[in-house]
Amino acid sequence: GAVVSQHPSRVICKSGTSVKIECRSLDFQATTMFWYRQFPKQSLMLMATSNEGSKATYEQGVEKDKFLINHASLTLSTLTVTSAHPEDSSFYICSAGVNTEAFFGQGTRLTVV
Amino acid sequence: RKEVEQDPGPFNVPEGATVAFNCTYSNSASQSFFWYRQDCRKEPKLLMSVYSSGNEDGRFTAQLNRASQYISLLIRDSKLSDSATYLCVVNAGSYIPTFGRGTSLIVHP
Repeated sequence: GAVVSQHPSRVICKSGTSVKIECRSLDFQATTMFWYRQFPKQSLMLMATSNEGSKATYEQGVEKDKFLINHASLTLSTLTVTSAHPEDSSFYICSAGVNTEAFFGQGTRLTVV
Repeated sequence: RKEVEQDPGPFNVPEGATVAFNCTYSNSASQSFFWYRQDCRKEPKLLMSVYSSGNEDGRFTAQLNRASQYISLLIRDSKLSDSATYLCVVNAGSYIPTFGRGTSLIVHP
């Protein structure tokens, strides 16, 4: 199957700092990637759809100025959590679709202290 | 009503048991259906696609009921290694998959 690589897998940062998460499609080109967030015992919630060469589409309730998404190439999308707060601590995961199947990055566990 | 609903469980079953999960979806235009497995603190991984005619892969059987808008997953002869969260995923065609909350399965000795 297709491979999606996400980095870092785990990050701890201080409140007020920014964290960048990278999502790469290694063996295919992804014009669209999806960013999800998962809180403990909750479902994966779509945050935004990342579109190569254009602005991301954010789901209702997700602050676009806080969660900056850049999809500058067909193989890389980045999510930057700006001015992180403890309530941003969560499991962030990206995915890309190939022939209707979703392939996921390994996920990033963000802890804001 | 949520787009995709699952009983979060946990389903606590002994080894060797048969267990079934259901997942209901609200969008009648949904076209693709999947079951994913997610282990704790890991990314979800595709377990199986769900076809209109139903499909079976070893101990796992998936069924789709379009009339009642639900899909099911049956696991026979449960193993300890089957312990995980099982996510129902529905795609309405635009390829933005919608996830259910997941059903937690615990298989004990």
